[in-house]
Amino acid sequence: AQTVTQSQPEMSVQEAETVTLSCTYDTSESNYYLFWYKQPPSRQMILVIRQEAYKQQNATENRFSVNFQKAAKSFSLKISDSQLGDTAMYFCAFMKSFNAGNMLTFGGGTRLMVKP
Amino acid sequence: DVKVTQSSRYLVKRTGEKVFLECVQDMDHENMFWYRQDPGLGLRLIYFSYDVKMKEKGDIPEGYSVSREKKERFSLILESASTNQTSMYLCASSFEHTQQPQHFGDGTRLSIL
Repeated sequence: AQTVTQSQPEMSVQEAETVTLSCTYDTSESNYYLFWYKQPPSRQMILVIRQEAYKQQNATENRFSVNFQKAAKSFSLKISDSQLGDTAMYFCAFMKSFNAGNMLTFGGGTRLMVKP
Repeated sequence: DVKVTQSSRYLVKRTGEKVFLECVQDMDHENMFWYRQDPGLGLRLIYFSYDVKMKEKGDIPEGYSVSREKKERFSLILESASTNQTSMYLCASSFEHTQQPQHFGDGTRLSIL
Protein backbone atom coordinates (compact mmCIF):
# COMPACT_ATOMS: atom_id res chain seq x y z
CA ALA A 1 0.00 0.00 0.00
CA GLN A 2 1.07 3.53 -0.67
CA THR A 3 1.39 6.22 1.97
CA VAL A 4 1.72 9.97 1.47
CA THR A 5 3.05 12.24 4.21
CA GLN A 6 2.84 16.00 4.46
CA SER A 7 4.90 17.00 7.48
CA GLN A 8 3.79 20.64 7.67
CA PRO A 9 0.20 20.95 8.93
CA GLU A 10 0.29 24.75 8.64
CA MET A 11 2.47 27.32 6.93
CA SER A 12 2.36 31.02 6.31
CA VAL A 13 4.10 33.28 3.82
CA GLN A 14 4.13 36.97 3.05
CA GLU A 15 2.52 38.08 -0.16
CA ALA A 16 4.98 38.09 -3.11
CA GLU A 17 7.40 35.74 -1.37
CA THR A 18 8.18 32.12 -2.21
CA VAL A 19 7.07 29.13 -0.18
CA THR A 20 7.76 25.40 -0.46
CA LEU A 21 5.38 22.70 0.72
CA SER A 22 6.84 19.27 1.46
CA CYS A 23 5.51 15.85 0.51
CA THR A 24 7.06 12.42 0.83
CA TYR A 25 5.58 9.12 -0.22
CA ASP A 26 6.28 5.46 0.12
CA THR A 27 5.72 2.97 -2.68
CA SER A 28 7.22 -0.07 -4.29
CA GLU A 29 5.86 0.94 -7.69
CA SER A 30 8.19 2.19 -10.40
CA ASN A 31 5.55 3.89 -12.55
CA TYR A 32 3.15 6.31 -10.95
CA TYR A 33 1.82 9.86 -10.96
CA LEU A 34 1.94 12.57 -8.35
CA PHE A 35 -0.43 15.49 -7.92
CA TRP A 36 -0.86 18.63 -5.90
CA TYR A 37 -4.44 19.70 -5.27
CA LYS A 38 -5.58 23.00 -3.80
CA GLN A 39 -8.72 23.44 -1.70
CA PRO A 40 -9.55 27.13 -1.13
CA PRO A 41 -11.88 28.19 1.66
CA SER A 42 -14.78 27.87 -0.81
CA ARG A 43 -13.94 24.16 -0.62
CA GLN A 44 -13.89 22.95 -4.23
CA MET A 45 -10.70 20.97 -4.75
CA ILE A 46 -8.80 21.83 -7.92
CA LEU A 47 -5.73 20.32 -9.55
CA VAL A 48 -2.63 22.51 -9.33
CA ILE A 49 0.07 20.43 -10.96
CA ARG A 50 0.86 16.88 -12.02
CA GLN A 51 4.11 14.92 -12.39
CA GLU A 52 4.72 11.64 -14.18
CA ALA A 53 7.32 9.55 -12.35
CA TYR A 54 9.04 8.49 -15.57
CA LYS A 55 9.79 12.12 -16.45
CA GLN A 56 12.97 13.54 -15.00
CA GLN A 57 12.00 17.11 -15.77
CA ASN A 58 10.11 18.84 -12.99
CA ALA A 59 6.61 20.02 -13.87
CA THR A 60 5.84 23.74 -13.93
CA GLU A 61 2.53 25.61 -14.15
CA ASN A 62 3.00 29.37 -14.08
CA ARG A 63 3.95 30.27 -10.48
CA PHE A 64 3.75 26.66 -9.32
CA SER A 65 6.60 24.19 -9.76
CA VAL A 66 7.63 20.93 -8.21
CA ASN A 67 10.90 19.43 -7.04
CA PHE A 68 10.54 15.74 -7.78
CA GLN A 69 13.24 13.54 -6.27
CA LYS A 70 12.33 9.98 -7.22
CA ALA A 71 15.10 8.23 -5.31
CA ALA A 72 14.23 10.15 -2.17
CA LYS A 73 10.49 9.73 -2.81
CA SER A 74 9.99 13.42 -2.34
CA PHE A 75 7.60 15.73 -4.22
CA SER A 76 7.62 19.31 -2.95
CA LEU A 77 5.57 22.20 -4.30
CA LYS A 78 7.07 25.65 -4.74
CA ILE A 79 4.81 28.66 -5.03
CA SER A 80 6.57 31.76 -6.32
CA ASP A 81 5.31 35.32 -5.93
CA SER A 82 2.62 34.18 -3.47
CA GLN A 83 -0.78 35.82 -3.82
CA LEU A 84 -3.62 36.18 -1.35
CA GLY A 85 -5.67 33.82 -3.51
CA ASP A 86 -3.13 31.07 -2.83
CA THR A 87 -4.48 30.80 0.73
CA ALA A 88 -5.88 27.25 0.86
CA MET A 89 -5.37 23.68 1.98
CA TYR A 90 -2.90 21.88 -0.25
CA PHE A 91 -2.96 18.13 -0.68
CA CYS A 92 -0.30 15.94 -2.19
CA ALA A 93 -1.63 12.79 -3.87
CA PHE A 94 -0.24 9.58 -5.39
CA MET A 95 -1.69 7.44 -8.18
CA LYS A 96 -0.37 4.09 -9.34
CA SER A 97 -0.17 3.52 -13.05
CA PHE A 98 -2.69 1.11 -14.50
CA ASN A 99 -4.95 0.84 -11.52
CA ALA A 100 -8.64 0.34 -11.92
CA GLY A 101 -10.53 3.48 -11.18
CA ASN A 102 -7.52 5.82 -11.02
CA MET A 103 -7.52 5.78 -7.24
CA LEU A 104 -5.63 8.48 -5.40
CA THR A 105 -3.89 8.28 -2.04
CA PHE A 106 -3.80 11.66 -0.31
CA GLY A 107 -1.55 13.18 2.29
CA GLY A 108 -2.94 14.87 5.39
CA GLY A 109 -2.76 18.33 3.86
CA THR A 110 -0.95 21.61 4.55
CA ARG A 111 -2.89 24.75 5.39
CA LEU A 112 -1.20 27.71 3.72
CA MET A 113 -1.93 31.26 4.76
CA VAL A 114 -0.68 34.10 2.55
CA LYS A 115 -0.40 37.29 4.56
CA PRO A 116 -0.68 40.78 3.07
CA ASP B 1 -15.88 23.00 -17.54
CA VAL B 2 -16.52 19.83 -15.60
CA LYS B 3 -19.30 20.15 -13.09
CA VAL B 4 -19.59 17.82 -10.12
CA THR B 5 -22.62 18.70 -8.06
CA GLN B 6 -23.33 17.51 -4.55
CA SER B 7 -26.92 17.85 -3.44
CA SER B 8 -26.29 19.56 -0.10
CA ARG B 9 -23.58 21.83 1.29
CA TYR B 10 -24.66 21.28 4.89
CA LEU B 11 -26.69 18.47 6.39
CA VAL B 12 -27.70 17.71 9.96
CA LYS B 13 -29.09 14.28 10.84
CA ARG B 14 -29.74 12.25 13.96
CA THR B 15 -28.07 9.07 15.14
CA GLY B 16 -29.68 6.00 13.61
CA GLU B 17 -31.14 7.81 10.60
CA LYS B 18 -30.58 6.59 7.06
CA VAL B 19 -28.71 9.31 5.17
CA PHE B 20 -28.34 9.77 1.43
CA LEU B 21 -25.66 11.95 -0.13
CA GLU B 22 -26.10 12.52 -3.84
CA CYS B 23 -23.51 13.41 -6.47
CA VAL B 24 -24.04 14.19 -10.15
CA GLN B 25 -21.43 14.86 -12.83
CA ASP B 26 -22.03 16.23 -16.30
CA MET B 27 -18.92 15.09 -18.19
CA ASP B 28 -19.79 11.46 -18.93
CA HIS B 29 -16.98 10.29 -16.63
CA GLU B 30 -16.68 6.57 -16.07
CA ASN B 31 -15.16 6.81 -12.59
CA MET B 32 -16.82 8.29 -9.53
CA PHE B 33 -15.53 8.46 -5.96
CA TRP B 34 -16.67 9.23 -2.43
CA TYR B 35 -14.18 10.52 0.13
CA ARG B 36 -14.42 11.78 3.64
CA GLN B 37 -12.15 14.59 4.75
CA ASP B 38 -11.05 14.95 8.36
CA PRO B 39 -8.46 17.35 9.81
CA GLY B 40 -4.96 15.91 9.70
CA LEU B 41 -6.11 12.80 7.85
CA GLY B 42 -6.55 14.30 4.41
CA LEU B 43 -9.02 12.59 2.12
CA ARG B 44 -9.80 8.93 2.63
CA LEU B 45 -11.55 6.89 -0.04
CA ILE B 46 -14.82 5.31 1.04
CA TYR B 47 -16.03 3.73 -2.22
CA PHE B 48 -15.53 4.20 -5.90
CA SER B 49 -17.28 3.08 -9.05
CA TYR B 50 -15.79 2.58 -12.52
CA ASP B 51 -19.05 1.82 -14.30
CA VAL B 52 -22.80 1.72 -13.81
CA LYS B 53 -23.77 -0.77 -11.11
CA MET B 54 -20.09 -1.46 -10.38
CA LYS B 55 -18.58 -0.52 -7.05
CA GLU B 56 -15.37 -1.15 -5.18
CA LYS B 57 -14.50 -0.62 -1.54
CA GLY B 58 -11.98 2.01 -0.69
CA ASP B 59 -9.98 2.36 2.49
CA ILE B 60 -12.84 3.00 4.93
CA PRO B 61 -16.08 1.42 3.63
CA GLU B 62 -17.44 0.29 7.01
CA GLY B 63 -20.79 1.86 7.80
CA TYR B 64 -21.34 3.05 4.24
CA SER B 65 -22.84 1.74 1.03
CA VAL B 66 -23.13 3.21 -2.47
CA SER B 67 -25.39 3.07 -5.47
CA ARG B 68 -24.71 3.84 -9.11
CA GLU B 69 -27.80 3.19 -11.21
CA LYS B 70 -26.95 5.81 -13.83
CA LYS B 71 -23.57 6.86 -15.15
CA GLU B 72 -23.88 10.45 -14.02
CA ARG B 73 -25.07 9.79 -10.47
CA PHE B 74 -23.29 8.22 -7.52
CA SER B 75 -24.98 8.03 -4.15
CA LEU B 76 -23.43 7.47 -0.74
CA ILE B 77 -25.66 5.87 1.89
CA LEU B 78 -25.20 5.82 5.63
CA GLU B 79 -27.49 2.97 6.63
CA SER B 80 -27.65 3.96 10.31
CA ALA B 81 -25.80 7.19 10.95
CA SER B 82 -23.47 7.42 13.91
CA THR B 83 -21.72 10.41 15.48
CA ASN B 84 -18.31 9.24 14.23
CA GLN B 85 -19.57 9.78 10.69
CA THR B 86 -19.70 13.51 11.26
CA SER B 87 -17.34 14.79 8.60
CA MET B 88 -16.88 16.55 5.28
CA TYR B 89 -17.81 14.31 2.34
CA LEU B 90 -16.36 14.94 -1.11
CA CYS B 91 -17.48 13.43 -4.38
CA ALA B 92 -15.18 13.26 -7.41
CA SER B 93 -15.25 11.93 -10.94
CA SER B 94 -12.75 11.20 -13.72
CA PHE B 95 -12.35 9.55 -17.08
CA GLU B 96 -11.20 5.97 -16.97
CA HIS B 97 -7.86 6.46 -18.66
CA THR B 98 -4.83 6.27 -16.43
CA GLN B 99 -3.62 9.49 -14.80
CA GLN B 100 -6.72 11.44 -15.61
CA PRO B 101 -7.23 13.98 -12.84
CA GLN B 102 -10.22 13.75 -10.58
CA HIS B 103 -12.70 16.62 -10.51
CA PHE B 104 -14.31 17.39 -7.19
CA GLY B 105 -17.61 18.70 -5.96
CA ASP B 106 -17.97 21.41 -3.32
CA GLY B 107 -18.41 18.94 -0.49
CA THR B 108 -21.15 18.20 2.02
CA ARG B 109 -20.53 18.96 5.66
CA LEU B 110 -22.53 16.31 7.51
CA SER B 111 -23.23 16.54 11.21
CA ILE B 112 -24.73 13.59 13.06
CA LEU B 113 -26.29 14.54 16.39
